[in-house]
Amino acid sequence: GAVVSQHPSWVICKSGTSVKIECRSLDFQATTMFWYRQFPKQSLMLMATSNEGSKATYEQGVEKDKFLINHASLTLSTLTVTSAHPEDSSFYICSASGIVYEQYFGPGTRLTVT
Amino acid sequence: QKEVEQDPGPLSVPEGAIVSLNCTYSNSAFQYFMWYRQYSRKGPELLMYTYSSGNKEDGRFTAQVDKSSKYISLFIRDSQPSDSATYLCAMSGRGGANSKLTFGKGITLSVRP
Repeated sequence: GAVVSQHPSWVICKSGTSVKIECRSLDFQATTMFWYRQFPKQSLMLMATSNEGSKATYEQGVEKDKFLINHASLTLSTLTVTSAHPEDSSFYICSASGIVYEQYFGPGTRLTVT
Repeated sequence: QKEVEQDPGPLSVPEGAIVSLNCTYSNSAFQYFMWYRQYSRKGPELLMYTYSSGNKEDGRFTAQVDKSSKYISLFIRDSQPSDSATYLCAMSGRGGANSKLTFGKGITLSVRP
């Protein structure tokens, strides 16, 4: 099946700094990528949807100035958490979709803000 | 009321047991139903994908959808220790890979050898 990678897999940062997470589709072109956040023992909550070359669409309640999404190419989307705070600590997962019906998920990035 | 409710867990069964996992939903616009498996600290992987009501079987896994009751199920036959994971149901109002998914909270299954 299709492979989606995320980098880094785990990051620790200090409060107030920014962190960038990369999501790559390795063997297919992803016209759409989704970013999710998952808290412990909670489900995946969709944060935003991004289409290559256009601005991301954010879900209600998600601050677009805090969570910057760039989908610059058909194989790469990035999520930047700006001015991170401890409450932003979570598991961030991306998914990518191409021309078939399935979304392929990345392995996730665990962010810890101290 | 949340759009998608999933049976709380965790669930522990002996190897070889039949496992039944369930979700209910409130949004009648949902037409596509999925089950994902997620191992610890990993992203979800798609197990089953069904459209509208009916059953779908794939090996030891069977997915059932009852739209009239807004109820979906995943059955696992002859459960194995390797089936130990968190199972999430997901739904969308339209098909296609670009559709937004709404997930249940997930249930953690443990299959004891």
